[in-house]
Amino acid sequence: ILNVEQSPQSLHVQEGDSTNFTCSFPSSNFYALHWYRWETAKSPEALFVMTLNGDEKKKGRISATLNTKEGYSYLYIKGSQPEDSATYLCAFPPSGYALNFGKGTSLLVTP
Amino acid sequence: DVKVTQSSRYLVKRTGEKVFLECVQDMDHENMFWYRQDPGLGLRLIYFSYDVKMKEKGDIPEGYSVSREKKERFSLILESASTNQTSMYLCASSLPQYSNQPQHFGDGTRLSIL
Repeated sequence: ILNVEQSPQSLHVQEGDSTNFTCSFPSSNFYALHWYRWETAKSPEALFVMTLNGDEKKKGRISATLNTKEGYSYLYIKGSQPEDSATYLCAFPPSGYALNFGKGTSLLVTP
Repeated sequence: DVKVTQSSRYLVKRTGEKVFLECVQDMDHENMFWYRQDPGLGLRLIYFSYDVKMKEKGDIPEGYSVSREKKERFSLILESASTNQTSMYLCASSLPQYSNQPQHFGDGTRLSIL
């Protein structure tokens, strides 16, 4: 199993703080890197699918960057809100259809 | 929007029972997946299917089987449930271009085996 590593494991920030987390993945045979947000009692929701080195994607206050040569991606949240509290998962497809997921970063934003 | 529907949110079964978890998607996706989520372990792939009647083992297939008789439905079967199969089970589907298409998830089934 080719591992995806995410850090930190958990994060607690105050409302209005900006924050970021890291996803590390094997850089050989790269196809794509996925980010998902998983809120409690809901289903995981796709945020981004990134395929190109240097790619940067944005969705509202959330953005992500990708470095395929060194095998990492950063997810940034600007001005965190309580509704951003969730587990953020990254994943990549090592050899075909299925995704290998990291263990996630659990974010708690308090007012 | 894609809708992936899992038959139960919560399920309680007894050791040794044969358990069926059902998943239906309404977007004509070729690929369907079953994962389990356990604390500290992340999402782990049990089985996936890339077409009707086709199936592939994931990372942890032992004790499970699957069935895909129709494109929209993917069933996970616990042949003889055991307590170590108590977990959250998630179904997902996606378009066939696996490398750059997101997966769409159901709400999950929290299964307890007593």
